[in-house]
Amino acid sequence: AQKVTQAQTEISVVEKEDVTLDCVYETRDTTYYLFWYKQPPSGELVFLIRRNSFDEQNEISGRYSWNFQKSTSSFNFTITASQVVDSAVYFCALRDYSGGGADGLTFGKGTHLIIQP
Amino acid sequence: GAVVSQHPSWVICKSGTSVKIECRSLDFQATTMFWYRQFPKQSLMLMATSNEGSKATYEQGVEKDKFLINHASLTLSTLTVTSAHPEDSSFYICSARTIAVIYEQYFGPGTRLTVT
Repeated sequence: AQKVTQAQTEISVVEKEDVTLDCVYETRDTTYYLFWYKQPPSGELVFLIRRNSFDEQNEISGRYSWNFQKSTSSFNFTITASQVVDSAVYFCALRDYSGGGADGLTFGKGTHLIIQP
Repeated sequence: GAVVSQHPSWVICKSGTSVKIECRSLDFQATTMFWYRQFPKQSLMLMATSNEGSKATYEQGVEKDKFLINHASLTLSTLTVTSAHPEDSSFYICSARTIAVIYEQYFGPGTRLTVT
C-alpha cells in the first residue's frame, strides 16, 4: 500500500534561515505523482508543486526548491531565506494507481513550520 | 481557472441532525470528486471518491450510510452527514478532477463542521 512519511512534526526557525522539509514515500507503482501543499491557518490547501515519477529533475521556484530522489524515495522541500509568511502546515502527498482508494491522494501527516521574526 | 467552491464554509449543528455540504466546480466539468476529512492537527484522510452519475466508492472504515455522497452533475457533489454526533466534528475538504487532466486535483476551501 502507498504511504507518505513526514517525520518532522514541527520545525521552528528564525526568519531568513533556510529550512528543509522531508518527505519519504512508499509505492509499488512505477508511475506515480508527488505533490506538496501548503495549508495556512485558514485551512485552504495551496498547491505548490507536482512531480511525476519519470521526472527526477530538481525544481526551483523563487525561494522554494524541491529535491526528488527515487533511489531514496524522497521528495524534500527547501525554503531559502524563510519569511514569517511561510509559517503554515506543509503536506507531502502521493497519487499512485495501486491503492484501493481509487486515485485520491495519500497525504503525509504534515510538518508545522514556524518562522519566528 | 480550475476553481472549486464549498458551501457552507462553516456550520454548527446539533447532535442528531443532518447537515449537507456542497462542492462545486465553477469553471470546469468535474468527472470525479473526492471528499477528505481532516481532524484538528491531523492529516487529510480520503473518505470517498465519486464519479458523476455513479455511486460513490468509500474508503475502508467510512460509513456509507452516515456519509451520503451524491454527484448528480458534472459541477456539483454533495456530502450529507446524517445523524451527526460530536465525533463527526471535523474539517471536510472536497477536490475535483476533470477527465482532461487526470493527475491534477483542485481543492475546495473546506467546510468546518461543529456538532454540539
